Amino acid sequence: DQQVKQNSPSLSVQEGRISILNCDYTNSMFDYFLWYKKYPAEGPTFLISISSIKDKNEDGRFTVFLNKSAKHLSLHIVPSQPGDSAVYFCAASAEGSSGDKLTFGTGTRLAVRP
Amino acid sequence: DAGITQSPRHKVTETGTPVTLRCHQTENHRYMYWYRQDPGHGLRLIHYSYGVKDTDKGEVSDGYSVSRSKTEDFLLTLESATSSQTSVYFCAISWDVYNEQFFGPGTRLTVL
Repeated sequence: DQQVKQNSPSLSVQEGRISILNCDYTNSMFDYFLWYKKYPAEGPTFLISISSIKDKNEDGRFTVFLNKSAKHLSLHIVPSQPGDSAVYFCAASAEGSSGDKLTFGTGTRLAVRP
Repeated sequence: DAGITQSPRHKVTETGTPVTLRCHQTENHRYMYWYRQDPGHGLRLIHYSYGVKDTDKGEVSDGYSVSRSKTEDFLLTLESATSSQTSVYFCAISWDVYNEQFFGPGTRLTVL
């Protein structure tokens, strides 16, 4: 069973517009959420995170929103740039889970059109 | 970038042969992880280590073993490779809880 779900395998947006990537989770014990970005032939790189005590975290063009009641988080990229074209993974962990284990979603491929 | 290297970067092998992948870090991070990435599955944890000689299983550990004899090295071994183990393998490291994981560049393994 997939505890972290990214239901949109792909997304295409125009340069300069907003990109919204969504992620849903089922495990109510998850209390820390992260977004990773992955280019082809490279390892994932950390983008932004949010703790369950917050509902929003912002870093430059990237904002992550967390709705705990809906078990939903989203990543907003404004404005989108061609260099943002990549696969985005959301991940979640639960305090007390040994080894700081992350559970990843299946990824959303973002294409930003010039 | 965190100092993480993986070797080899690419490997083609035959079914039934043993394969060892190496992850090396220069960051002195306590935790090390092995993931595999497959289409439709995202990243799945194979094994992880929380210190020298301290390892535990992840979500998809069958057919894999690991060893960590030094802080900087984490080895993943496929004792007898199968075609279902064809994948891209990523090593990751992290310092502690609530710290993000840093990933290596990956190893593409093909089992014929």
